[in-house]
Amino acid sequence: SAVISQKPSRDICQRGTSLTIQCQVDSQVTMMFWYRQQPGQSLTLIATANQGSEATYESGFVIDKFPISRPNLTFSTLTVSNMSPEDSSIYLCSVVPQIQGSGPNTEAFFGQGTRLTVV
Amino acid sequence: AQTVTQSQPEMSVQEAETVTLSCTYDTSESDYYLFWYKQPPSRQMILVIRQEAYKQQNATENRFSVNFQKAAKSFSLKISDSQLGDAAMYFCAYRSAFTGTASKLTFGTGTRLQVTL
Repeated sequence: SAVISQKPSRDICQRGTSLTIQCQVDSQVTMMFWYRQQPGQSLTLIATANQGSEATYESGFVIDKFPISRPNLTFSTLTVSNMSPEDSSIYLCSVVPQIQGSGPNTEAFFGQGTRLTVV
Repeated sequence: AQTVTQSQPEMSVQEAETVTLSCTYDTSESDYYLFWYKQPPSRQMILVIRQEAYKQQNATENRFSVNFQKAAKSFSLKISDSQLGDAAMYFCAYRSAFTGTASKLTFGTGTRLQVTL
């Protein structure tokens, strides 16, 4: 399993500012995933963060708006830049830990989410 | 690209009764995983049950079971003896069996389950 600590749990921000969300995992993982959940909607993948390389962004998401850092195998940050009210969402990080000596683990673990409100 | 569809935005069940949540998906892959996640108001995503596509036997976890129909690309969740704590948003999700960036989850739009007394 994996325990993920995500901070902050919530924030209210002024439009035009930026917010950095942190995700700390209690074990080393190759990839970390960042999702967005707009109000009342499902989770949409923003990007996949590999340690030591640039993040891979999904269609509709760009690095200038959502820069990601992945300095080591247990930590990642997502920044929401130049925010507008449309960025008000829950942001979640997720990992799929590998199990040594067996096949790939299938379960994804999630942080508690960051509820962002832009005013 | 894979898609996941949940056609029931909301469902309601009485306590102790049984309810079935529907999920269909579309993929050209032969090997994949399917999941049901529960999201209570706390926002924490909780894995309810998983199914490997290569297994014909339907997965079961206590009161939760699935009806996996690979040919029909259908993956429904049955909750038996419903409890008040089952009230939450339920998401069906797909994941490719390949590694790499394909490890991402593709989610359905969710079904909000209400449990009444």
